[in-house]
Amino acid sequence: GAGVSQSPSNKVTEKGKDVELRCDPISGHTALYWYRQRLGQGLEFLIYFQGNSAPDKSGLPSDRFSAERTGESVSTLTIQRTQQEDSAVYLCASSPGHQALGGKLFFGSGTQLSVL
Amino acid sequence: QKEVEQNSGPLSVPEGAIASLNCTYSDRGSQSFFWYRQYSGKSPELIMFIYSNGDKEDGRFTAQLNKASQYVSLLIRDSQPSDSATYLCAVRNAGNMLTFGGGTRLMVKP
Repeated sequence: GAGVSQSPSNKVTEKGKDVELRCDPISGHTALYWYRQRLGQGLEFLIYFQGNSAPDKSGLPSDRFSAERTGESVSTLTIQRTQQEDSAVYLCASSPGHQALGGKLFFGSGTQLSVL
Repeated sequence: QKEVEQNSGPLSVPEGAIASLNCTYSDRGSQSFFWYRQYSGKSPELIMFIYSNGDKEDGRFTAQLNKASQYVSLLIRDSQPSDSATYLCAVRNAGNMLTFGGGTRLMVKP
């Protein structure tokens, strides 16, 4: 597709369950970001992938959170043993990534996660 | 201290006025600066970017950067009700990491 695609768009889960969120970036974009946005709040950085470099995981809030990316394509964000405070919109964004265009992010529509 | 700071607002301006949105950042090594607009319930979209000190104009929008003061602003001239949204400042460091501020909610009243 032409844009960043995220799935599912909505996920309702029970506390303690694991969830997996998926992101398909724009083809050719080497950089991929995951952010979390709680209701009425700004964007909280989670993890950043750039090409084949080691990802920057400095924003992951706990070891229950992990993410993978297959080459320069699909990424999955996994949250284990979900807690109610994990409820938020999880946004994925991709970017051409190289120096001149770094920062020009294209966002997906997000996954609204609700933990009951 | 947060890396990128914005007043959360809401900033309320009348239609036709100039809206001034401000952002400060802590990392002196930051290289480029971005303004994103986010409508309620939607994802952020890029509206302006600036790399060099001074002003950059694009239609009704002007981005201003002062690296010495670690300050970046966005001016919206002739504000319209359709400009009502949250404006997010984002800063890119040398490692290509993009950090967002908390956003300023702008309300333009007819």
